[in-house]
Amino acid sequence: AQSVTQLGSHVSVSEGALVLLRCNYSSSVPPYLFWYVQYPNQGLQLLLKYTTGATLVKGINGFEAEFKKSETSFHLTKPSAHMSDAAEYFCANNNNDMRFGAGTRLTVKP
Amino acid sequence: DVKVTQSSRYLVKRTGEKVFLECVQDMDHENMFWYRQDPGLGLRLIYFSYDVKMKEKGDIPEGYSVSREKKERFSLILESASTNQTSMYLCASRGRSYNEQFFGPGTRLTVL
Repeated sequence: AQSVTQLGSHVSVSEGALVLLRCNYSSSVPPYLFWYVQYPNQGLQLLLKYTTGATLVKGINGFEAEFKKSETSFHLTKPSAHMSDAAEYFCANNNNDMRFGAGTRLTVKP
Repeated sequence: DVKVTQSSRYLVKRTGEKVFLECVQDMDHENMFWYRQDPGLGLRLIYFSYDVKMKEKGDIPEGYSVSREKKERFSLILESASTNQTSMYLCASRGRSYNEQFFGPGTRLTVL
């Protein structure tokens, strides 16, 4: 059975610091991986996705993620955090349905 | 832009009431989904539908049913609401398989 694990339910960084949100997946078939962001009282918005091809994927708002098959990982990074990045982030793997991680709440300190 | 709308942003119901949550998408998507979101548990799939009148159980279908009479509309029904169904409910739609889902704004349901 496929699953998605996000390491760290809460991550806190200072404004301008590197953001690293971790995601590992397990899947018996090639994964289709997504990162979504959820701002308070809103639905989820797509940040970026990996299906096939280039393993380094760039998304909106300066985020990127790298698919590493050998590590079964798809970690999300951003070089410099902004206050507006404070939100909850979800990693997901798509098969017929969509498997989500439990989410990571990002706090950005001034 | 794809738009997914949900009938209510906030809803308060009493235990035992029948509750209908409506979701409408405007992009002719085949696939529609209902999730509930609880702190620390992420999104859990309740039901999904890949075509009109078709439905599949997700991970937590107990206490819920769904209806999809038209392609654009997917309804979630709580036959007899209970307090443990207090949650945020998110609807999503998707076109072809392996594409991203598009989410509605969510309905925060409180069952008293």
